[in-house]
Amino acid sequence: NAGVTQTPKFRVLKTGQSMTLLCAQDMNHEYMYWYRQDPGMGLRLIHYSVGEGTTAKGEVPDGYNVSRLKKQNFLLGLESAAPSQTSVYFCASSYVQGETQYFGPGTRLLVL
Amino acid sequence: GNSVTQMEGPVTLSEEAFLTINCTYTATGYPSLFWYVQYPGEGLQLLLKATKADDKGSNKGFEATYRKETTSFHLEKGSVQVSDSAVYFCALSSPGGANSKLTFGKGITLSVRP
Repeated sequence: NAGVTQTPKFRVLKTGQSMTLLCAQDMNHEYMYWYRQDPGMGLRLIHYSVGEGTTAKGEVPDGYNVSRLKKQNFLLGLESAAPSQTSVYFCASSYVQGETQYFGPGTRLLVL
Repeated sequence: GNSVTQMEGPVTLSEEAFLTINCTYTATGYPSLFWYVQYPGEGLQLLLKATKADDKGSNKGFEATYRKETTSFHLEKGSVQVSDSAVYFCALSSPGGANSKLTFGKGITLSVRP
């Protein structure tokens, strides 16, 4: 039982490049979330999903897109990366929305 | 809206010292309250939680009591260890069906010296 996994662990992009971060969970959770963590800011919710085929905006959605084509996967896309998107990105999942969330190990992204 | 306020950090303690990390919240209704811990280089993991007033959550020697009258959920440990060095996040969720999400505080870094 791997829990929540994230790919890649670390990535460097140039401004304007695109990339996709992959999150996978094997706990059969309905709810999945993408957060970014910045110094002094805590965790801020980017997008979330309440089930396969659904997505919704969180607190800081601009510049990101997401897709949940399969229940176990939640993808976060950056179409045109900007230096302001340099951050650590965490994916999480939960069985019941608003209750205990299980986090992945994070993806560290540097945009030059 | 919902919000969580944590005391400013970082906090540095000697091993076996007593730890208190303050957390207060603003929320409508009756939220569930959580403490998450993030060890260096890792993701967040649930440390403890409480779902109703006067409940006490506990785990790994840490405790926190849900105080509705003071809207607080302070984290305590009687004797910290070097291995407790981490970032600690307080969080809440309010019941709200499909719109219920976790709201996190900014986190506080704890360093424990041998």
